[in-house]
Amino acid sequence: DGGITQSPKYLFRKEGQNVTLSCEQNLNHDAMYWYRQDPGQGLRLIYYSQIVNDFQKGDIAEGYSVSREKKESFPLTVTSAQKNPTAFYLCASSLTSGGFTDTQYFGPGTRLTVL
Amino acid sequence: QKEVEQDPGPLSVPEGAIVSLNCTYSNSAFQYFMWYRQYSRKGPELLMYTYSSGNKEDGRFTAQVDKSSKYISLFIRDSQPSDSATYLCAMTSTGFQKLVFGTGTRLLVSP
Repeated sequence: DGGITQSPKYLFRKEGQNVTLSCEQNLNHDAMYWYRQDPGQGLRLIYYSQIVNDFQKGDIAEGYSVSREKKESFPLTVTSAQKNPTAFYLCASSLTSGGFTDTQYFGPGTRLTVL
Repeated sequence: QKEVEQDPGPLSVPEGAIVSLNCTYSNSAFQYFMWYRQYSRKGPELLMYTYSSGNKEDGRFTAQVDKSSKYISLFIRDSQPSDSATYLCAMTSTGFQKLVFGTGTRLLVSP
């Protein structure tokens, strides 16, 4: 069964802690993305990667970091520098690295809450 | 002013109704338009994808783009309770420009 998995589904973080959100895909897609979703706001792009070992900042990259060491994996670390990390985080992938016109397929999301 | 405006709703309709969901945008360079459906606490799934102007139909769903008015619509015929979800529009100008999402419209279809 092909798809995108995100773990954990729910994550709680104390202030000052770094946490890492997992995103794995077995669709053999080249490109992967991380978005943040907040109530009353559209999805906002955090980071994206069009190819292994390469990634670019999106609109709200401050306080986040990523890596792309394997084609199927694109973990997101929320650092203590992120001032307001409580949100719903969505990972997506698309078949080619041809850009944002490629259809993006989303994972089920991780809800992060800062205590 | 946001690049993409979408009424948050909720929009409540009875089962069987025709639903019209809309987005307006300000960037005339947008050419690729998408509609995503998102159930509560789930990831969005692509419903419709259109390029430039015109209509596209898929089953009970019709996507319409009016570039002259900078207005896109999603129509749902014979709405079902299972259509209750948040509908997000998204658009971009070229492959090198990120997708811009609307905030989503919450739809409630009552039996």
